Amino acid sequence: DQQVKQNSPSLSVQEGRISILNCDYTNSMFDYFLWYKKYPAEGPTFLISISSIKDKNEDGRFTVFLNKSAKHLSLHIVPSQPGDSAVYFCAASSSRWNKLVFGAGTILRVKS
Amino acid sequence: GAGVSQSPSNKVTEKGKDVELRCDPISGHTALYWYRQRLGQGLEFLIYFQGNSAPDKSGLPSDRFSAERTGESVSTLTIQRTQQEDSAVYLCASSLTDRGNYEQYFGPGTRLTVT
Repeated sequence: DQQVKQNSPSLSVQEGRISILNCDYTNSMFDYFLWYKKYPAEGPTFLISISSIKDKNEDGRFTVFLNKSAKHLSLHIVPSQPGDSAVYFCAASSSRWNKLVFGAGTILRVKS
Repeated sequence: GAGVSQSPSNKVTEKGKDVELRCDPISGHTALYWYRQRLGQGLEFLIYFQGNSAPDKSGLPSDRFSAERTGESVSTLTIQRTQQEDSAVYLCASSLTDRGNYEQYFGPGTRLTVT
């Protein structure tokens, strides 16, 4: 039972354009959401997060949007850079838990 | 400062053998987590340690899996009688807080291949 779904296995974007990565979740108990980036042979690194009391959080080129009614969040990267090419994981948690529940990841390729 | 380190980086073992994976968390981080990532899948929670509290073992897939942590330092994940389906990247993470919904810092992982 996949509680966090990233339906796009991969995404290809031209340098300078916007990258939009999507994530859907099913568990209403989730109240905190995170995005991680992973390069080959490295562990995931934290990118940005959002609490369920907000609908948007911005950090430089990265913005996360949360639509609670649709149980959907997205990560926007603008402008996209070749160094952004990586696997992006969406993760969710609840204040009652100790674990993160991850999606399967989306491979982002930014072409120069 | 030093990040989370894991050893070995790669491990190839024969089916039925036991393996031990090690994690050194970031100094001062009280919480430690183990995850695994099978090919083409997301990260799967295995176990969580927080200080001297009883660990949350709810993610361990079978009784062949066990983990220990000494105080707030090193942790070892042991898989007994390995099976081919145990092949995965095993990732360790640590965090400053005892709440799993805060940022976790991951190590590079141990790639386990069971032949």
